[in-house]
Amino acid sequence: DADVTQTPRNRITKTGKRIMLECSQTKGHDRMYWYRQDPGLGLRLIYYSFDVKDINKGEISDGYSVSRQAQAKFSLSLESAIPNQTALYFCATSDPKRDLYGYTFGSGTRLTVV
Amino acid sequence: EDQVTQSPEALRLQEGESSSLNCSYTVSGLRGLFWYRQDPGKGPEFLFTLYSAGEEKEKERLKATLTKKESFLHITAPKPEDSATYLCAVGGISNFGNEKLTFGTGTRLTIIP
Repeated sequence: DADVTQTPRNRITKTGKRIMLECSQTKGHDRMYWYRQDPGLGLRLIYYSFDVKDINKGEISDGYSVSRQAQAKFSLSLESAIPNQTALYFCATSDPKRDLYGYTFGSGTRLTVV
Repeated sequence: EDQVTQSPEALRLQEGESSSLNCSYTVSGLRGLFWYRQDPGKGPEFLFTLYSAGEEKEKERLKATLTKKESFLHITAPKPEDSATYLCAVGGISNFGNEKLTFGTGTRLTIIP
């Protein structure tokens, strides 16, 4: 099994629909992150969580919300999806006691909003 | 604002033809510079962390170097399996006092057999 698992792998949804992307990890890391990747823009941080009770906005959090259900689970929600949220979404984890930025990424969710 | 610029955007090499990828950066309070490899349809895979100018790290055919303004990823005698997009990122301190990671847009490397 992968260290960081994202579901679904692919999703097509309609404008205005609510959608949840899920991430679970078996690394035992406290820190978890949600990024989106767009061609020509690189990876951009949406939200991050340093532990279950600590959730922070990243650089592009508008239109998104998150929930840290447990140390191992971090979900990203689009309350009302819009076409410019079409992107590749990645969940990542890190352990600052070992290497602050040695992130472990999931395989991604390709989201298309039509 | 932290910035990372990678060049070239794409690079095609013959198998065995060595070359280098460039990552230029500006950051307030550099905590480290990071290289990742990303294969199509997959998440980035961590390769190296460099913390200070003059530092070098190697892994198989890859060697990463760091100066105060840029980093190079040298690829020696590449093989087709080295084909991937290579991402550079810098870790700094955000305006809110938290650590943050800023990624470049990557260099897409293709090794032709």
